[in-house]
Amino acid sequence: DGGITQSPKYLFRKEGQNVTLSCEQNLNHDAMYWYRQDPGQGLRLIYYSQIVNDFQKGDIAEGYSVSREKKESFPLTVTSAQKNPTAFYLCASSSHQAGISYNEQFFGPGTRLTVL
Amino acid sequence: GENVEQHPSTLSVQEGDSAVIKCTYSDSASNYFPWYKQELGKGPQLIIDIRSNVGEKKDQRIAVTLNKTAKHFSLHITETQPEDSAVYFCAATRKLGTASKLTFGTGTRLQVTL
Repeated sequence: DGGITQSPKYLFRKEGQNVTLSCEQNLNHDAMYWYRQDPGQGLRLIYYSQIVNDFQKGDIAEGYSVSREKKESFPLTVTSAQKNPTAFYLCASSSHQAGISYNEQFFGPGTRLTVL
Repeated sequence: GENVEQHPSTLSVQEGDSAVIKCTYSDSASNYFPWYKQELGKGPQLIIDIRSNVGEKKDQRIAVTLNKTAKHFSLHITETQPEDSAVYFCAATRKLGTASKLTFGTGTRLQVTL
């Protein structure tokens, strides 16, 4: 059963602590992405990775870090430097096909992070 | 950078009526326009998309139109049903190397009433 999994579904953290959100995909996709969603807003890109051991900042990367050691995994760390970390975090992935200009992104179920 | 505006922010229709959601984008390099449906507490699900070389696409009760000159695209849902109630997001996409960058609209909360 192919897809994207994110864990945990709900996460609580004390202010000042780092926390890591998990994202795993078995779709054999090359590219993976992290988005943040706030109430009443669209999704905003945090980081993306085109290939293993490579990643780039998105529009709101400050206070976040990522790694891409395996093709199927793209964990996101929310650091204590992120000033307003409470949000719904979504992971996505897309394939890369030579000669194809359009790459559909598939989303995971999300992790809701609450900072207490 | 790309900017996507989406209207309306909320939409209430009676079951069986049609619903229309409109988006505009700013970057002429955007060439792929997906629409996502998001139910409460879940990730977005792609419901339909349109490429920049196509003006209209239909899939059963859902259709999308694109006007590249005016930089706007719209989602049309006909014969709405209660299960259509959700938040709908439009997005404009451009390539980033082998990845792609989606810029999302702010969403439309659709409520289908009986």
